[in-house]
Formats: sequence, C-alpha cells, structure tokens
Amino acid sequence: DAKTTQPTSMDCAEGRAANLPCNHSTISGNEYVYWYRQIHSQGPQYIIHGLKNNETNEMASLIITEDRKSSTLILPHATLRDTAVYYCIVRERTGNQFYFGTGTSLTVIP
Amino acid sequence: NAGVMQNPRHLVRRRGQEARLRCSPMKGHSHVYWYRQLPEEGLKFMVYLQKENIIDESGMPKERFSAEFPKEGPSILRIQQVVRGDSAAYFCASSSRQGRMNTEAFFGQGTRLTVV
Repeated sequence: DAKTTQPTSMDCAEGRAANLPCNHSTISGNEYVYWYRQIHSQGPQYIIHGLKNNETNEMASLIITEDRKSSTLILPHATLRDTAVYYCIVRERTGNQFYFGTGTSLTVIP
Repeated sequence: NAGVMQNPRHLVRRRGQEARLRCSPMKGHSHVYWYRQLPEEGLKFMVYLQKENIIDESGMPKERFSAEFPKEGPSILRIQQVVRGDSAAYFCASSSRQGRMNTEAFFGQGTRLTVV
C-alpha cells in the first residue's frame, strides 16, 4: 500500500541542489521516513532515514516538517551520477517490508 | 565488510527448469528480504526471512516459488518449473535487529533471470 506521494520526475542542473519532495500525510507516530535510490538497473541504495528530526549524512539531508506529513530529500550538489529513481518509504522500525512505490525519476542535466 | 552478495548475477534457464538464487547477507545481519523487479516496473516485495524462519511471505506467488534462510549458509530463492513470465531481476536485502527495531536494509546487485 502506497503511503507516500512523490512527483513522477524532476530535472536538476549539475552542481545545484536537488530537492525531492515526498508527502506522507497518513504517517503514524512510530513510522520512520526512509529514502532509497536505484541507479539504472542496480540494486537500491540506502540514502538516509529519520523519524522527526532533520538528518544529514555524507550523501544527503532529510528535512521533515514539524507535523511529519511531508519531507524533502536534499542532494546539496547534484552530479550526473545522481541520476536515478528516488524512493520515499514510510515504515515502522518493527515492520516487515519496505514498500517501493513509483518514486521520482531525477535527471541531472549537465 | 562486504555488502550483500547475490549469485549468480545472470542466470538463463529454459522453460520448465529450476532456478536457484543465492543471497549472502551482510556480516552480522540475520534478516533477509527478497524483491522482484519486472522489466520497466517497480520493486515488489516477495518474502521476509530471519534465520530458519519465514516471517512474511505475503508477496510470494502461491505456487513454484519458495525461500529459505538456513542456520548456516546463504538464503535461497527457488523457482520451480520456470516460465517466461518469471524473467526479472531478483534483489535481496539484509538488515540487522536492535531490540525490536529493524535497521535499514542494504541491497545486493541482483540476479537477472532470463527464461528462454
């Protein structure tokens, strides 16, 4: 069951920040927000996850609104290698599966 | 620390044969997930296993498909009597457990099954 809504596709200029939005208006208090990406036909790659605080790692930043109904994944300086399908997933930490919806196809343009 | 290892990377089977796909989780991970991705489609959950136990097989086809994760050795996804519609990429992921919490899952590079 899709618990998230993402734009189908986005473009971003190389070197600029890529901001990928995700709506999860029905998220419950014990569900986390995870982001993965899939480059071409490779295995999905874990990017970041969070509960309610903003998170940052070497790959990206995750900004979660105060009401937790939406979030934004930020790639600070997009490169051509960031072209991929990005998936926003909500899941309880005790949950069984990660549900992959249709994601956002991000194209980084030279 | 090696990542999730899947083999073979490519597998060709004739209709009616059996396909066995292997997945070695990351070191220290005791949870395995299998996903299938048909050409030009998204990832579909198949099964979630812990060592020696199937926890959730809600995405597994009722016939011909089975999965196991023995106490020793890799997890195996087995497809009997393959048909052309089984042609897909099969991805395995693994995670560990911290108390009642599952950590994030890490995926392998997949096995591409082609049925001819």
